[in-house]
Parts: sequence; C-alpha cells; structure tokens
Amino acid sequence: ETGVTQTPRHLVMGMTNKKSLKCEQHLGHNAMYWYKQSAKKPLELMFVYNFKEQTENNSVPSRFSPECPNSSHLFLHLHTLQPEDSALYLCASSQELAGGPKKETQYFGPGTRLLVL
Amino acid sequence: AQKITQTQPGMFVQEKEAVTLDCTYDTSDPSYGLFWYKQPSSGEMIFLIYQGSYDQQNATEGRYSLNFQKARKSANLVISASQLGDSAMYFCAMREATTGNQFYFGTGTSLTVIP
Repeated sequence: ETGVTQTPRHLVMGMTNKKSLKCEQHLGHNAMYWYKQSAKKPLELMFVYNFKEQTENNSVPSRFSPECPNSSHLFLHLHTLQPEDSALYLCASSQELAGGPKKETQYFGPGTRLLVL
Repeated sequence: AQKITQTQPGMFVQEKEAVTLDCTYDTSDPSYGLFWYKQPSSGEMIFLIYQGSYDQQNATEGRYSLNFQKARKSANLVISASQLGDSAMYFCAMREATTGNQFYFGTGTSLTVIP
C-alpha cells in the first residue's frame, strides 16, 4: 500500500448507529487531518493531529470523535449522526517542518462517502 | 471573510486549448503558500502546484503554471494543451505561516474538456 488509504470507501448508516472511519498513511508523515466535503462548500477542516497530539478542532460537534493512536493511523468515530452529516470525509497527511514558511503540501486519501439516513 | 475565492463554478475548454482557472485570496500574513489541487470524480485530491509568497518566479509543473499576481492577491492556474483527463474539480488553497496546519480551500471550479 502506498500513499494515504481510507476505509470504508462508502458507508450508509442510520442516525442511531455507531461507526468508525479509518485512515492510514504510508508516507512517514507527522501530521494527519480530517476534512468534511459537502456539495458546493469549501472543504471544512475538522481535526488536525501533529505527532499524535490534536492541535486543531474546528468547532466540530461531539458526535464526531477523532482518535490518533500513532502517527500513521487516524480514526473518526461516528455516533448519533444527523442527515446533514452526509458528505465525503477526506483524510490527509503532511510532513510538517518546524519554522519557516509553510510550504508542505497535504496528501489526500480517496475519501469515505457517508450517507446518514 | 473568505480566505480563498474561486468565482468560476464551471468552465469548459476545447481539447488541446489552454484554460485559466481563477483564484483570489485574502491574508495579512506576509508569509504564505498557495496550492492547487485536482479532484477527479473518484474523490481523491491530487496536489498539482505550489507557489510561495516570497517566490520571485511563477511556479510551473509540466502543463500547469501559476499566474501569481501578489499585489492583486490572485493565483490563477493555467493548464496548457488541455486533455480529456483534465476534466475534474480544481481547488485553490492557502496556508499561512502564522496559522500553522490550517489549510483554507475555495469552493472549487469544475472543468470539462470537450473533445
């Protein structure tokens, strides 16, 4: 496996279900991200982890719970979601360097298409 | 205020022609980076090109070039010799030195290449 992988690729769940999205990066990066992509809206950054520590939480509802057990794996635990949470959830990683201009790009996984019924 | 603005929801281009996708940005940070990504219908975001705020020359990567006009705060993507495989969504993004890992994305432009 190379790059950034995400499973599952598609997920349909009811509002009372609990599910988890998984992301794995094989690039040796030290930062990982969760984004939500809805139609006709900019990508919304949800969570950022640097060296397994959460550094950003952009006012995400508590029904989304991230977990980063190590620098290669990132999970997004879902429970009691709403239909408006239906979207494409993208995981990304980057190698962040200390100091200097931020020029490191992010590498994205293929995403999980989530439908909440 | 939006950090990244892409005003073209959809664009069409004839195969083998060049096309320009617009992007304007808003920042007061003197140190920032601008990125363009391509997203095919499969969903994966693919990094195309990067331009740093202090770079003196416009970035180029193969058929992609970035028309960077700092005073106007614009960073338009130019795709030369369009191919059918270029049909996709294109996103402009920015990160600032002061806001660390925060990437700001535009709403994207859907490009369709016509044979």
